[in-house]
Amino acid sequence: RKEVEQDPGPFNVPEGATVAFNCTYSNSASQSFFWYRQDCRKEPKLLMSVYSSGNEDGRFTAQLNRASQYISLLIRDSKLSDSATYLCVSDYGGATNKLIFGTGTLLAVQP
Amino acid sequence: ETGVTQTPRHLVMGMTNKKSLKCEQHLGHNAMYWYKQSAKKPLELMFVYNFKEQTENNSVPSRFSPECPNSSHLFLHLHTLQPEDSALYLCASSQDASYGASTEAFFGQGTRLTVV
Repeated sequence: RKEVEQDPGPFNVPEGATVAFNCTYSNSASQSFFWYRQDCRKEPKLLMSVYSSGNEDGRFTAQLNRASQYISLLIRDSKLSDSATYLCVSDYGGATNKLIFGTGTLLAVQP
Repeated sequence: ETGVTQTPRHLVMGMTNKKSLKCEQHLGHNAMYWYKQSAKKPLELMFVYNFKEQTENNSVPSRFSPECPNSSHLFLHLHTLQPEDSALYLCASSQDASYGASTEAFFGQGTRLTVV
């Protein structure tokens, strides 16, 4: 079974903290990777794509390790508004257009 | 404002009812999807349509029947559902993956379905 696995949390961190989420995927043929954010009772929204070379968007840094089939998301200087569930996503591999979602990691940033 | 619109937002139906969920995307995408999200479970892919053709039916029971009349519209027809079908049903769209890697999916706000 092709899966994406994440620690469900919750991660409770104070404002300003740095927090890291990790994720593993089982399908070695996966080519596309993403982090989505889902607020309570809302739809998932793309946070960032994950590239082999690693990529950064403001306070957020995503990394991919193909050899270990491992994806990470680092959030620096956490804000209260970062509180949400973070979903790790890979695809089925090839031009399938099918995405596999992890169960998500819940982040609660405390004042 | 979302580029993917779903209606209704909330639906309560009896087990003998027939209802339909509607999804419309304004992003010019060629692929559309239905996902199911239940509590404590990952999003489950139900159906995939590429260029209006169904390319994936992920072992979904026949009481769920999708319809894709064109690349912008997607329906999910519901008939004789069970209480365990209660969940958030999410529609999504993306560019097709003709050129290799899959592209990100954009989601509608979902229909929260309760089967009583």
